Amino acid sequence: EAGVAQSPRYKIIEKRQSVAFWCNPISGHATLYWYQQILGQGPKLLIQFQNNGVVDDSQLPKDRFSAERLKGVDSTLKIQPAKLEDSAVYLCASSFAEQGPFSFGSGTRLTVV
Amino acid sequence: EDQVTQSPEALRLQEGESSSLNCSYTVSGLRGLFWYRQDPGKGPEFLFTLYSAGEEKEKERLKATLTKKESFLHITAPKPEDSATYLCAVQGWDDKIIFGKGTRLHILP
Repeated sequence: EAGVAQSPRYKIIEKRQSVAFWCNPISGHATLYWYQQILGQGPKLLIQFQNNGVVDDSQLPKDRFSAERLKGVDSTLKIQPAKLEDSAVYLCASSFAEQGPFSFGSGTRLTVV
Repeated sequence: EDQVTQSPEALRLQEGESSSLNCSYTVSGLRGLFWYRQDPGKGPEFLFTLYSAGEEKEKERLKATLTKKESFLHITAPKPEDSATYLCAVQGWDDKIIFGKGTRLHILP
């Protein structure tokens, strides 16, 4: 079984620029999550999708972050404009159902300078 | 408010020196507690799910246990390759999943 795929692995941008991350979940997994992990901390949920629909986006900074999941499969997370404090690893995860556990991708390390 | 607290933040052990990592939690109804291992530069890797107090799960040198307020990850006779950050997460009946900050484990040869 192929795992959760994420790209790019690394991204360096200047503040106020925009950036997008891509995630392809495990085939058949209806639930998809985007997490933000700041160095030395545990992952923090940004948004959870169930198929095409958003289940929880209460911790997503909606003034600058947006996410979509087209056709209930791939997902993109966008930041516009980026701030220095957005420097983190962005992890995508997926699960068969809303109840865990779930599988993580390798993440995208974002550095905002 | 739901919370997950892991201790210690970091732990250094000699190879073969057994110990335990703690995960204490407060949640309005526990649907499941998860343990993950995270190596540097990688995403977390699933280890165990525990659903109810008294439950235990084992995998190689790792054993996870659960009470109504906390979970322990026991590591027996660890090897250097067990060095990693171990993350605990809880899922309440509202399906929200909260992670702790993790315990950085370093096993010295």
